[in-house]
Amino acid sequence: GESVGLHLPTLSVQEGDNSIINCAYSNSASDYFIWYKQESGKGPQFIIDIRSNMDKRQGQRVTVLLNKTVKHLSLQIAATQPGDSAVYFCAENRGNQFYFGTGTSLTVIP
Amino acid sequence: EAGVAQSPRYKIIEKRQSVAFWCNPISGHATLYWYQQILGQGPKLLIQFQNNGVVDDSQLPKDRFSAERLKGVDSTLKIQPAKLEDSAVYLCASSLLQGNTEAFFGQGTRLTVV
Repeated sequence: GESVGLHLPTLSVQEGDNSIINCAYSNSASDYFIWYKQESGKGPQFIIDIRSNMDKRQGQRVTVLLNKTVKHLSLQIAATQPGDSAVYFCAENRGNQFYFGTGTSLTVIP
Repeated sequence: EAGVAQSPRYKIIEKRQSVAFWCNPISGHATLYWYQQILGQGPKLLIQFQNNGVVDDSQLPKDRFSAERLKGVDSTLKIQPAKLEDSAVYLCASSLLQGNTEAFFGQGTRLTVV
């Protein structure tokens, strides 16, 4: 069954502000995590990944933090733009399979 | 590079009918996945192929769902007979390697069973 969960189903932020999307996981055996963005009518799109031997990874405007002590993952989006409006999923890789959470719907207010 | 191609984009069928979905993964990707995404939920893995072999199909309802990847490239997913609860988006994804590598998704096929 699913062991990946998201703290909030919806999140609204003002354009230009930073967004933080959180995700909890329960399986310590997970060694690889990915954040996906899914826009309406499209398949999930890779944003950033992190391996369990890392605490932080940065991309363009995005940062993923991994706290293995509390089994928590977060995605930070800097200077959120209207194009960032989408559903965001965290996925964990266990046994060569990806398990997805329910998703957080991010709405950017112009 | 071309992405994962899926067809059709949309399909409406009556319950008890059959339907098939097609997926062409990214060239060279050995691993292919079929996911079911019900509205408002995250994708759920149905079946995973490594080349033309099945790695995991534990969540595939085998009484009505079947999938194949005969030549290790394209794949088809079939539902026969369909039920109302099969209404969902069926996503195909592929990755270069099994395990800790990024999976690329197609746009999906939206199935409505009436």
